[in-house]
Amino acid sequence: LAKTTQPISMDSYEGQEVNITCSHNNIATNDYITWYQQFPSQGPRFIIQGYKTKVTNEVASLFIPADRKSSTLSLPRVSLSDTAVYYCLVVPNTGTASKLTFGTGTRLQVTL
Amino acid sequence: GAVVSQHPSRVICKSGTSVKIECRSLDFQATTMFWYRQFPKQSLMLMATSNEGSKATYEQGVEKDKFLINHASLTLSTLTVTSAHPEDSSFYICSAFTSSNYGYTFGSGTRLTVV
Repeated sequence: LAKTTQPISMDSYEGQEVNITCSHNNIATNDYITWYQQFPSQGPRFIIQGYKTKVTNEVASLFIPADRKSSTLSLPRVSLSDTAVYYCLVVPNTGTASKLTFGTGTRLQVTL
Repeated sequence: GAVVSQHPSRVICKSGTSVKIECRSLDFQATTMFWYRQFPKQSLMLMATSNEGSKATYEQGVEKDKFLINHASLTLSTLTVTSAHPEDSSFYICSAFTSSNYGYTFGSGTRLTVV
């Protein structure tokens, strides 16, 4: 499974846009990039998933360059409640279950 | 859709006793579930893969006789921590795979404290 690398921590003020970049140099052709959010004492929660270019949903955008060796999660106008750990994962799209490898994640701290 | 329920959310047990944690897929069938362990300020570490109707496969370094996994139905997997010790205190999280939705849905986790 492709290994991912992302910053350990980031700080932001409320109302700002936050961009978290993840590198996955060994991503395979059938791999998707998936981001999860985890609050303390809770399980990870799905945020967004993409294969290439740009994906947007109601909470975030995901930018993936043509070579797919990295991706950027963009959180528009963060609030205090966005303080959490964000994990970037490379997920095989084989239609069957695969082991997921969690990296360090990025601990985002949002303050006033 | 794709909801995974995990119980209990927290449990305190005495050293030497056993604790069972349940993971249920509420609105889909999950032939494969995963169990993770997470220590404070650390990432999730995969413990084992639970397959319905067959034996679980464990990651290297995880004691299969200590962490018993049963996946008797398509909607339920259980993790039993046997003869628990304080070092087993951790946050345990299950995940279920579904070919629909986005693939992997996680439970809310179980905080185990062994005293």
